[in-house]
Amino acid sequence: SAVISQKPSRDICQRGTSLTIQCQVDSQVTMMFWYRQQPGQSLTLIATANQGSEATYESGFVIDKFPISRPNLTFSTLTVSNMSPEDSSIYLCSVDGWGNTEAFFGQGTRLTVV
Amino acid sequence: DAKTTQPPSMDCAEGRAANLPCNHSTISGNEYVYWYRQIHSQGPQYIIHGLKNNETNEMASLIITEDRKSSTLILPHATLRDTAVYYCIVPNQGGKLIFGQGTELSVKP
Repeated sequence: SAVISQKPSRDICQRGTSLTIQCQVDSQVTMMFWYRQQPGQSLTLIATANQGSEATYESGFVIDKFPISRPNLTFSTLTVSNMSPEDSSIYLCSVDGWGNTEAFFGQGTRLTVV
Repeated sequence: DAKTTQPPSMDCAEGRAANLPCNHSTISGNEYVYWYRQIHSQGPQYIIHGLKNNETNEMASLIITEDRKSSTLILPHATLRDTAVYYCIVPNQGGKLIFGQGTELSVKP
């Protein structure tokens, strides 16, 4: 199993500012992912955080808006840039979950943009 | 897009079995079926997964049809704490989990 810590757990931010969310795993993992969950909705995959290379973004998400770092096999950050109220969501980090292994999720960062 | 379809909601009486169906008609031979659930305000939690055989663990049982085009998650004795959104997922290449809308299970006293 893997234990994931996300920081901050919640934040209220002013529009136009940026917030960086941290994801720390207690063991080395190959795959790390970032998701967004808008109010009342399911989870939407933002990107795959690749160690040592640029993140791979899903359709509708771009690096300028959601820059991601993955400096090693246990840590990643997601930045939500130039925020607007539409960015108010829960952002979740997850690890692995391929083939015959399950994925683990952090508890999420609840972001409110005012 | 999600490769699975589920009913949007279900109710279950406390203490009874909850049977949650999932269709995954385009699943390929080496793809697993995973079930996760999300209790309000928490991150998704892994429940169970399987390839072709039925599986059981301390949380649930997973019944997969012989043609693998559908499956059923069974919570044998549902409790109020099982109220959650349940997601049936077939991971994409590279381990990506694409979430559909899931089934919102309400366990009632």
